[in-house]
Amino acid sequence: QITLKESGPTLVKPTQTLTLTCTFSGFSLSTTGLGVGWIRQPPGKALEWLALIYWNDDKRYSPSLQSRLTITKDTSKNQMVLTMTNMDPVDTATYFCAHSQRENGPYYFDYWGQGILVTVSS
Amino acid sequence: QSALTQPPSVSAAPGQKVTISCSGSNSNIGNNYVCWYQQLPGTAPKLLIYDNYKRSSGIPDRFSGSKSGTSATLGITGLQTGDEADYYCGTRDSILSSWVFGGGTKLTVL
Repeated sequence: QITLKESGPTLVKPTQTLTLTCTFSGFSLSTTGLGVGWIRQPPGKALEWLALIYWNDDKRYSPSLQSRLTITKDTSKNQMVLTMTNMDPVDTATYFCAHSQRENGPYYFDYWGQGILVTVSS
Repeated sequence: QSALTQPPSVSAAPGQKVTISCSGSNSNIGNNYVCWYQQLPGTAPKLLIYDNYKRSSGIPDRFSGSKSGTSATLGITGLQTGDEADYYCGTRDSILSSWVFGGGTKLTVL
């Protein structure tokens, strides 16, 4: 059974750096072909993809946020960490991590964490 | 503004069929496979369809996906009140080098 859970601060101040951890079970991120991604959703708005890290440590970032994002993985701990610098109130959103794999097409997100609501406010 | 365009809302009666459209371009839907996600109120998204038409594990055959050119469609038959949710299409955009989602469609089962 694959599960993921996000953890981290629920309130950050503008200009601070956000660090979120995704702890997962039921799979290993050292398994060929797998990935774990981050997607966020501002209140009442649509999903927005942020980043994806692959089993081989290859990483992809949203072009519009790339300069602010860093993702790393710790395979031994079954964790993945997202850092986002220079937080702004517009970054207020629920942040999800998700297991990712592919068959014929691009990677898709088939198991999601429950999400963590991060509010950016002074 | 989302790279993929969906109608903000659709509605139908219980037992009826509904379709949700997702319009994109050659850089995304036109040259890639499409996924569909269901998001029930207050919960995380759930994968329904991947690779245009393949149902994810445990998804009933009431849900179907198709693609033609730069558009994709999600179909739901035998509507149930439990199907009331937001539905999102998604794919990869080769020009943006990014995964993109539609703006979401709210399904109301009247």
